Amino acid sequence: DAGVTQSPTHLIKTRGQQVTLRCSPKSGHDTVSWYQQALGQGPQFIFQYYEEEERQRGNFPDRFSGHQFPNYSSELNVNALLLGDSALYLCASSLDGTGVRETQYFGPGTRLLVL
Amino acid sequence: AQSVTQLGSHVSVSEGALVLLRCNYSSSVPPYLFWYVQYPNQGLQLLLKYTSAATLVKGINGFEAEFKKSETSFHLTKPSAHMSDAAEYFCAVSEGAQKLVFGQGTRLTINP
Repeated sequence: DAGVTQSPTHLIKTRGQQVTLRCSPKSGHDTVSWYQQALGQGPQFIFQYYEEEERQRGNFPDRFSGHQFPNYSSELNVNALLLGDSALYLCASSLDGTGVRETQYFGPGTRLLVL
Repeated sequence: AQSVTQLGSHVSVSEGALVLLRCNYSSSVPPYLFWYVQYPNQGLQLLLKYTSAATLVKGINGFEAEFKKSETSFHLTKPSAHMSDAAEYFCAVSEGAQKLVFGQGTRLTINP
């Protein structure tokens, strides 16, 4: 049973560029959440997707956007990259969107470096 | 808004000693609480979660945590540390039905 997978594992971009990160949820899961983890910090919630809609959003600017596909996989897009966007981006999946009481399973993350 | 405070960014114990990682939460409603572990260059793995059933929660790898409402605490313990326990540990509280709010993390070092 495949867990949550993310691609790519590492990425280097320059300021002002755009980036797309991808996530495939654990088999049977229909909800995907994205988190940003800056170096030495705990993860911070970016947004969550359920039924191809953004259901809740954290305190992140509109430069951060996402998408969920019919197969439940998801993309995170970041436009106009800033140095401060350098971080580990984590995807988490869960079942049925009934609440956080349902365990969120995390992927290994994509490490983004903005130069 | 819910929040989590982890006391001690770095904890060091000897192999075989008790592990105690502290977490205090702030929540206006009965919380759901979680402990996750992160090994170097990996994602987060759930150790255990509290969802208002038993106050003493047992998790994987011999870890357990006790929910104490009067102290707004959810400390993580393990009776005997193993070298493989060296990692970053995060306490988290649910906010609403969709998001987790994480603490800053505690780096656990095990001395041989």
